[in-house]
Amino acid sequence: DADVTQTPRNRITKTGKRIMLECSQTKGHDRMYWYRQDPGLGLRLIYYSFDVKDINKGEISDGYSVSRQAQAKFSLSLESAIPNQTALYFCATSDSGSTEAFFGQGTRLTVV
Amino acid sequence: DAKTTQPTSMDCAEGRAANLPCNHSTISGNEYVYWYRQIHSQGPQYIIHGLKNNETNEMASLIITEDRKSSTLILPHATLRDTAVYYCIVRPPALVFGAGTILRVKS
Repeated sequence: DADVTQTPRNRITKTGKRIMLECSQTKGHDRMYWYRQDPGLGLRLIYYSFDVKDINKGEISDGYSVSRQAQAKFSLSLESAIPNQTALYFCATSDSGSTEAFFGQGTRLTVV
Repeated sequence: DAKTTQPTSMDCAEGRAANLPCNHSTISGNEYVYWYRQIHSQGPQYIIHGLKNNETNEMASLIITEDRKSSTLILPHATLRDTAVYYCIVRPPALVFGAGTILRVKS
């Protein structure tokens, strides 16, 4: 089983719909991150959390919200999806004392 | 937060060393330099990190200049499977990726 699991892997949704992307990890890490990647571009940080009660905005948080339900779970919500939120979304985890981050396999979201 | 600058793309012949540069002139004294790579649309993969000294692991070597304003990732014998986007990151509290360098390894 993967250390960082994202669900769903692929999703097509309509403009204006609310959608939630979920991330769970078995690494026991305290830090979790959500990124989006557009074609041909690097990853951009949306939100990150260093602990269950900690939520921080990243580079591009507008139009998104997150919830850290437990140490192992970090969800990303699009309250009202729009077409320019079509992208590949990655979740990642790291430990405050470790040297590397671990990424999920990505969720490909299409908003039509 | 320290920012990084990398070339947009590079080519390398298979079997030769690939040297990927990164400028991080605003790096702070206690900030590490990290390298990740992303193959196609997979999640990024950690390669190596360093603070001051040169580092080597089974994947690559990292050379950091004495003034720490730049570094070079070296893949000693590049293979076709090393074709990827390589990201140099100076680690603030949260990982922030730039555009990276597209490395194309050609036979």
